[in-house]
Amino acid sequence: QLQLQESGPGLVKPSETLSLSCAVSGASINSDGSFWGCIRQPPGKGLEWIGSISYTGNSYYTSSLKSRVTISVDTSKNQFSLKLSSVTAADTAVYFCVRHRGSVFGVVDYWGLGTLVTVSS
Amino acid sequence: DIQMTQSPSTLSASVGDRVTITCRANQTLSTWLAWYQQIPGRAPKLLLYKASNLESGVSSRFSGSGSGAEFTLTINNLQPDDSATYYCQQYHSYFSFGQGTKLEIK
Repeated sequence: QLQLQESGPGLVKPSETLSLSCAVSGASINSDGSFWGCIRQPPGKGLEWIGSISYTGNSYYTSSLKSRVTISVDTSKNQFSLKLSSVTAADTAVYFCVRHRGSVFGVVDYWGLGTLVTVSS
Repeated sequence: DIQMTQSPSTLSASVGDRVTITCRANQTLSTWLAWYQQIPGRAPKLLLYKASNLESGVSSRFSGSGSGAEFTLTINNLQPDDSATYYCQQYHSYFSFGQGTKLEIK
């Protein structure tokens, strides 16, 4: 059974970089047809897609965050990572690691439990 | 960017009722539309994909319809466990979500 586990800092200071790791178990992160992504949810609000990456390393990001976000794959650790730079209080959210089915633009069929990241000094 | 609008924002119904949630896009999606259920404090759960395809393991009380720019999620025979927030999501061009519909079971 595929499982995704987020690990993050919990608290990040404004203007710093948020780094989140997503450990994958039950599947190889770079196997043919593997597609991964990150989605966030500010407290009490809706869902926002951040970006996604294919097993070949091709990445795609939402336009509003594109200048600040990078998603990458670490095959040695079977995990992928999110980096979001120059954070502000507006980046406070629960961050979810997800898997896309079938393509990097496929429906999300697996979600991690999510981890709350708070931006505050 | 594709904008998604759900209605209503909140909904209250009784056990055994049928409810319908609508999702509209500002451009055509064909049928690249999914529905998710989110219980407070938990990750969303995929209910339907490609507008009307029921995800494996999901109750047949959930159904979806629509194509183009207007879609509906219908829940038949409401159960207490259906109390949640429901989101539509387009995956025609990248991804975007509706703002959510909070369903309360009376």
